[in-house]
Amino acid sequence: NAGVTQTPKFQVLKTGQSMTLQCAQDMNHNSMYWYRQDPGMGLRLIYYSASEGTTDKGEVPNGYNVSRLNKREFSLRLESAAPSQTSVYFCASSEDRGEGYGYTFGSGTRLTVV
Amino acid sequence: EDQVTQSPEALRLQEGESSSLNCSYTVSGLRGLFWYRQDPGKGPEFLFTLYSAGEEKEKERLKATLTKKESFLHITAPKPEDSATYLCAGSGGSYIPTFGRGTSLIVHP
Repeated sequence: NAGVTQTPKFQVLKTGQSMTLQCAQDMNHNSMYWYRQDPGMGLRLIYYSASEGTTDKGEVPNGYNVSRLNKREFSLRLESAAPSQTSVYFCASSEDRGEGYGYTFGSGTRLTVV
Repeated sequence: EDQVTQSPEALRLQEGESSSLNCSYTVSGLRGLFWYRQDPGKGPEFLFTLYSAGEEKEKERLKATLTKKESFLHITAPKPEDSATYLCAGSGGSYIPTFGRGTSLIVHP
C-alpha cells in the first residue's frame, strides 16, 4: 500500500519556468491538500480539494494553480516560478474534510527556483 | 484567526529523561487537536487526534493530553529513535487544521 506518492522528489527551476507537481493516493480518500513547508514558517496550506470536482484556496494560493484530475490525483502547477517559491511541497490526503481525520502525507518535493 | 504555538522550538534530552512538549492553541470551535511526527527529509506522520478537554491518548512512549487552551505531548523514557520534529495542529470551524512550527527533539544515547 503506497499511500501518497509525489513526483518529482527534487527539482531545480529557473525563474519564469513552469512545472507541475504530481500527487496520487491509493487509499480512496475524498480530500486532498497541497502544503508548503519553509524553515521557521511551519506548514502552510496552498490549495485543497474537499472532494472530487472541487478545489479551494488555502492560506498562500498566489502563484499556484491546482487540478483534481480524479479521486486519486491532485496536481499543483507553478505557471511562472519565482525564487520565493523555493520550498518543500507536501501533498496530503484524508478520508474526509471533517474533524478527526488525520492526514496522510507524501514524502515531499524539494523545489529550488534560481 | 486560528493560532497554534509550540514550545520549546528545540529540546535535547538524554536517553531515559522524560519530558513534555507544549502546544498552545487559539482555535475557534475546536473540532480536533492533532499531533504529527516528522523525520528529516520525510512527510509528517499522523500520531493522535484529541477532541475534548481531559482526553488522553497513548502510543508506546508518547502520551498526548488536552486542556481548553493547551495540549501536551509527554515522552516517557525516550530513546534515540524518538528523535524527530513533532508538529501540533488544530482544526476549527473550517475543518482545515492550522499547524504550529514544531518542536525539534533530539534524544542522545
